[in-house]
Amino acid sequence: DQQVKQNSPSLSVQEGRISILNCDYTNSMFDYFLWYKKYPAEGPTFLISISSIKDKNEDGRFTVFLNKSAKHLSLHIVPSQPGDSAVYFCAASHRSQGNLIFGKGTKLSVKP
Amino acid sequence: KAGVTQTPRYLIKTRGQQVTLSCSPISGHRSVSWYQQTPGQGLQFLFEYFSETQRNKGNFPGRFSGRQFSNSRSEMNVSTLELGDSALYLCASSLITGGWETQYFGPGTRLLVL
Repeated sequence: DQQVKQNSPSLSVQEGRISILNCDYTNSMFDYFLWYKKYPAEGPTFLISISSIKDKNEDGRFTVFLNKSAKHLSLHIVPSQPGDSAVYFCAASHRSQGNLIFGKGTKLSVKP
Repeated sequence: KAGVTQTPRYLIKTRGQQVTLSCSPISGHRSVSWYQQTPGQGLQFLFEYFSETQRNKGNFPGRFSGRQFSNSRSEMNVSTLELGDSALYLCASSLITGGWETQYFGPGTRLLVL
């Protein structure tokens, strides 16, 4: 049973527009959420995180929104750039257990 | 600061053999986690070590094992390799900030089992 779901395997966006990547989770014990960006044959690169005590966290072009009642989070990238093209993974954890539970990823393509 | 390093980067083995992968965490990070990435299953947690003790373990068979040394470097071992063990093995070291643990990943070791 998937505890973290990214229902869109791929997303295509025009350069300069907003990219919105979505993630749903089922385990209400999760209290920390992270987004990673991954290129082929490389390890995931940490982008941004949010704890359950917040509903928004912003870092430059990246903003993560958390809706605890809906068990939903989203990553907004504004403006999107061709270098943002990669697979984006959503991950969740609970403070008492250090391991991350990952979604299957969304492949973002930003077209010039 | 140097990032997480993993050696070797690529490895080819045959069924039945065993393999050892190495991971050096970011300086000052004491927790090391291992993950397996395959096209079908995605990123799956193997185990986590903190201060030379296994703190958490995923749902993998006993053929998968690991250890951590006093300098926080970690190794994972897979014995009696199977074709399905072909995967990207990722190591991550952790920094705890404000009570929450952020994991930083190495480049991975690509293992191919023939």
